[in-house]
Amino acid sequence: AQSVAQPEDQVNVAEGNPLTVKCTYSVSGNPYLFWYVQYPNRGLQFLLKYITGDNLVKGSYGFEAEFNKSQTSFHLKKPSALVSDSALYFCAVRDIGPGSARQLTFGSGTQLTVLP
Amino acid sequence: KAGVTQTPRYLIKTRGQQVTLSCSPISGHRSVSWYQQTPGQGLQFLFEYFSETQRNKGNFPGRFSGRQFSNSRSEMNVSTLELGDSALYLCASSLDYGVQGASPLHFGNGTRLTVT
Repeated sequence: AQSVAQPEDQVNVAEGNPLTVKCTYSVSGNPYLFWYVQYPNRGLQFLLKYITGDNLVKGSYGFEAEFNKSQTSFHLKKPSALVSDSALYFCAVRDIGPGSARQLTFGSGTQLTVLP
Repeated sequence: KAGVTQTPRYLIKTRGQQVTLSCSPISGHRSVSWYQQTPGQGLQFLFEYFSETQRNKGNFPGRFSGRQFSNSRSEMNVSTLELGDSALYLCASSLDYGVQGASPLHFGNGTRLTVT
């Protein structure tokens, strides 16, 4: 079965500093990986995805993520955090291996707070 | 292009009642997924529809059901409501599903269901 782990419930970072939100996954086949962001009382917004190819993926609002197959990780990063980046971030995986359920499974979420 | 529209935005129901939630996907999207979001359980997958057929189902009791119409609009129904059904119900649409599954999900703002 596929699963996603976001080991940190809360990440605090000062404005202007780099930020990292961690994600590890477990699948039987190859993964499709996604990051989403959720603002209060809103649905999730897509940030970026890894399907294949270059391990460094660039997405919306200056975010990027690095796919590391050996460590089964897909950490979200941004070189310089903004107060407006404060939100709830979700990592998600879809296992495309044979016999898998193929549904998109989400991690538990990480609350990012950027301090002014 | 209009986003995913969910109605109603808020609902208050009593235990034992039933409820129907509606979702209109982005024009051209044929896949619709439903998720339940609660503080304790996070985002839990309910089901996924493509071309009016249920393609995937999560681990929810039979009280939770859904359907998709020929215009890709979807509804989900919860019968015999329980207090634990109180949650934010999110609908998401995408161009494809399952094996193809590289397209990101586009979420609506959700329906907040409160069961008293």
